[in-house]
Amino acid sequence: DIQMTQSPSTLSASVGDRVTITCRASQRIGSWLAWYQQKPGKAPKLLIFDASSLESGVPSRFSGSGSGAEFTLTISSLQPDDFATYYCQQYNSFSWAFGQGTKVEI
Amino acid sequence: EVQLLESGGGLIQPGGSLRLSCAASGFTISSYAMSWVRQAPGKGLEWVSVINDRGDKTYNADSVKGRFTISRDNSNNTLDLQMDSLRVEDTAVYYCAKIGITLFDAYDMWGQGTMVTVSS
Repeated sequence: DIQMTQSPSTLSASVGDRVTITCRASQRIGSWLAWYQQKPGKAPKLLIFDASSLESGVPSRFSGSGSGAEFTLTISSLQPDDFATYYCQQYNSFSWAFGQGTKVEI
Repeated sequence: EVQLLESGGGLIQPGGSLRLSCAASGFTISSYAMSWVRQAPGKGLEWVSVINDRGDKTYNADSVKGRFTISRDNSNNTLDLQMDSLRVEDTAVYYCAKIGITLFDAYDMWGQGTMVTVSS
């Protein structure tokens, strides 16, 4: 099965900072990668699909890049509402594995 | 309103069985693959099961293979998860999620989750 590894596990940042989260797959997955945001006690929310496509209604400060086995999620200017945990997920094969998550905290 | 609503969670003893349901409203699930995802307390997301749009192909994570069965009733717009031989480590919030057009697509809609606690 494909394993997904995110870094860092925790990230401390301030409002206005540019934030980058990395996700690495244990084998090449093309562009079949999504990013989700989850806040405490809430369901995950899709931000990015197909590695770089912005889901409808998601602010343009979120962007995704990468292909193959290395991917990044970038928040261009961190807003108070962005403090949350972020997960990547691959959907290239018959195991829809998630990364372990990256908590973005103040 | 377009939404997914899970039900059926609760407290169950190890070795017991539980059936979760997910009711869709505002759209028809028959065109989409669907999935169950779980999250143990304080932990990350783990995909559990996936079913194709027609319901004739199912996929399960190794951690639940042989114990959990995903099914769907497109006529009633519902998704189910039959959980047998439950273990303490199955304790989690269980989410149902809609996958996009194909099996290999992002999860673009999630329910609010239902808590399953396996404990004696």
